[in-house]
Amino acid sequence: GQSLEQPSEVTAVEGAIVQINCTYQTSGFYGLSWYQQHDGGAPTFLSYNALDGLEETGRFSSFLSRSDSYGYLLLQELQMKDSASYFCAALKEQGGKLIFGQGTELSVKP
Amino acid sequence: KAGVTQTPRYLIKTRGQQVTLSCSPISGHRSVSWYQQTPGQGLQFLFEYFSETQRNKGNFPGRFSGRQFSNSRSEMNVSTLELGDSALYLCASSLGQGGGYEQYFGPGTRLTVT
Repeated sequence: GQSLEQPSEVTAVEGAIVQINCTYQTSGFYGLSWYQQHDGGAPTFLSYNALDGLEETGRFSSFLSRSDSYGYLLLQELQMKDSASYFCAALKEQGGKLIFGQGTELSVKP
Repeated sequence: KAGVTQTPRYLIKTRGQQVTLSCSPISGHRSVSWYQQTPGQGLQFLFEYFSETQRNKGNFPGRFSGRQFSNSRSEMNVSTLELGDSALYLCASSLGQGGGYEQYFGPGTRLTVT
């Protein structure tokens, strides 16, 4: 089968750092993407890891370990506007489809 | 560049009816993927079209179908609606075949089946 596991909820305070983990089990795994979705909005692409290691994009970083079938999204200097749902998504094979996790709802408190 | 557009934004239908949803991708994008989003199931892949051909398909019954036109616009159809089909239907476009890791989502169509 194919599945991605991520925590359903995470709470953090403004200015803090938070890590959202994602473990995956999928055949033909090619890479891991992360998306952000605000309440009532469309998912928007954040980052992608095809290789092991850390990818940094401003306050957001994403990490992948293929040997552990594990990745995470790291959000630094949290802001209230970061309150949203975050989805990890496995890309199945080059030219394949995206399989999404259930999403992690991040609440940033003042 | 205009983003992905979906029409209609909201729809209320009765069990047993059918519905057609429309998606216009970003100009130049040839791949359109459709997803169903529900609170309990998250984002589930329905199918992907590229150059008017279905390239990938998710695990949904045959009541769910779609097509893509020569201008890359796509429609999805659900026949014999069931209460469980109530969901947000999202389409996403991208440049290459298969959707790829970076997809651009539309605002979705909120379908309610009563």
